[in-house]
This record gives sequence, structure tokens and C-alpha cells, in this order.
Amino acid sequence: SQQGEEDPQALSIQEGENATMNCSYKTSINNLQWYRQNSGRGLVHLILIRSNEREKHSGRLRVTLDTSKKSSSLLITASRAADTASYFCATDAVDTGRRALTFGSGTRLQVQP
Amino acid sequence: DGGITQSPKYLFRKEGQNVTLSCEQNLNHDAMYWYRQDPGQGLRLIYYSQIVNDFQKGDIAEGYSVSREKKESFPLTVTSAQKNPTAFYLCASSKDGRVGIYEQYFGPGTRLTVT
Repeated sequence: SQQGEEDPQALSIQEGENATMNCSYKTSINNLQWYRQNSGRGLVHLILIRSNEREKHSGRLRVTLDTSKKSSSLLITASRAADTASYFCATDAVDTGRRALTFGSGTRLQVQP
Repeated sequence: DGGITQSPKYLFRKEGQNVTLSCEQNLNHDAMYWYRQDPGQGLRLIYYSQIVNDFQKGDIAEGYSVSREKKESFPLTVTSAQKNPTAFYLCASSKDGRVGIYEQYFGPGTRLTVT
């Protein structure tokens, strides 16, 4: 099951611009996480936001969570060519008995130098 | 160095053969996970284990098998029953099985090609 769906599927921007990616999910969650994947590599954890939080910052990353709309956004400010990667949201569903994260389909970000 | 390793990085097999992918972690994590990723797609959960000697099926367990005899090891066998085994396989671990509480640490992946 793919609970999280990212939007857009692909995004191309110029270095220095901001990049915004969105994630929507279907069921109530405890926490939402964002991960990054460079081509052909494993995923790297970026940030975790809890269901009772609305916004969280980490360096150039800003994550928001709107549980009423079941959506989250990841903002990367002042993007760099090195930010080129795929970005995934991952959720843990409440009260399903499923003891694992569900990952979305990802947003492929291309930052042009 | 603490981390999670997968071997080999690339694996080639003939159709009809079983193949085992290795995953080892020295992070002292209780929980471990196997995911499959197809080109341009997200991750799909194959199996997961919250504790030694216990594991549960994920969303696409058919044609796969696992074991968890040691805390640090969670090998995945792709059997001949898996209809389309060619994919990128990712192993991950987290501190414990309380899903979502802790981040997952991923290995570098194994790219399996079956012809």
C-alpha cells in the first residue's frame, strides 16, 4: 500500500531557488518523516515531525504538517546542485497493526547549476 | 564505524535460481526491514522484524523469505517463485520496533538482475 503520495513527481529548478515538495497521506498518523535518496543509493533520513507539531526546521529544510488535510510539505531553501536527489515522505499509520513505515512514490528534484 | 551493510552491490542470477541477499548492522538496532524499489518508484515493504526470531510479512512478501537468527543479521532470500525479481533491494534498521518513533538507517542496496 502506498499511503503517502508526493507531488510533484519531478521538479527542476535553478541553483539558489527554493524547492517545495508535498506529501499527502490517507490515514491518521503518529509521525511523518522525510528521506532523501541519491541515485542508486540508500535513503538518508532528513527530518521527523510529530503529529502534534505543525512546523519543524533543520538547516535549509523546513517541514510543515497539516493533519486536518493529511498533508506535509518539505521546503529546501537556497538549493544547491548537491540537493539533486529523490525525496520521499514516510508515515506510520495509527491503529492498523502495521509496525512499519509506508513510503510515498517520491519527488525527483533536479537542481541546475 | 557503525552502520548497515549490504552485499553484494550487484547480483546476477539465472531465472529459476534462489538467491540470498545479505544485510548486517552493528548499530545494536532491534528492528530491521527489507524493501524493494523498482525504477522511478517508491519503496515497497517485503518483510520486517521487530526482534530476533520474529518477523512479519510486508506488502509484497510472496516469493521472498527471511530469517532473523541474530540481532545484527536479516538475510533475504529471493526464491524462484518471485515472478519479477529484478529490482533494487534496500535493507534498513531502526532502534526498536515502535514504528515511526525512530528514523530508519538504510544500507547501500543490492541491485539484483535475473535473466
